[in-house]
Amino acid sequence: AQSVAQPEDQVNVAEGNPLTVKCTYSVSGNPYLFWYVQYPNRGLQFLLKYITGDNLVKGSYGFEAEFNKSQTSFHLKKPSALVSDSALYFCAVRDIGDSWGKLQFGAGTQVVVTP
Amino acid sequence: DVKVTQSSRYLVKRTGEKVFLECVQDMDHENMFWYRQDPGLGLRLIYFSYDVKMKEKGDIPEGYSVSREKKERFSLILESASTNQTSMYLCASSRNEQYFGPGTRLTVT
Repeated sequence: AQSVAQPEDQVNVAEGNPLTVKCTYSVSGNPYLFWYVQYPNRGLQFLLKYITGDNLVKGSYGFEAEFNKSQTSFHLKKPSALVSDSALYFCAVRDIGDSWGKLQFGAGTQVVVTP
Repeated sequence: DVKVTQSSRYLVKRTGEKVFLECVQDMDHENMFWYRQDPGLGLRLIYFSYDVKMKEKGDIPEGYSVSREKKERFSLILESASTNQTSMYLCASSRNEQYFGPGTRLTVT
């Protein structure tokens, strides 16, 4: 069985400061890892994914994430946060052996960026 | 751009009613998914489908059924709506990463 933990319900950061949203995962095989963002009253938007290769993955809107196999983590980062980054962020994992592409989502982390 | 549409953004139904939520995707994806989203619980998979007329239960299928008669359309059915099914329902389709519709916020009174 696979699972995802997002240990922080909310992250508060001032505009211009670095933003980090934490994610750890558990999966029986090798993982595919994803980050999604949800703005109020909207569906989820894909930000980035790790499949294989370089552990540092770059995605949309200046976000990046680092895959760390030994710590089973996939933290989302942005060097300089914007007020418009305020949203709900979800980490998700897929077992590489799952041919149907089922994802297991974390509970989500609310990001609040203050001016 | 991939487009996933859902039939309603907001829906209010009474307890015991049969409810249909429709989802359509335009990218010829084989896999489609229905989730419900509740605060603090993230997204939980209700059902998914990997081909026309093929379906599999997800983590929380009780009280729901699905239908996939055409590749582009995946319907979620609440046979007899209950108040504990009040939630945000999200549909997704995928080949690799999943693409989501805007969601349907269902209230059952």
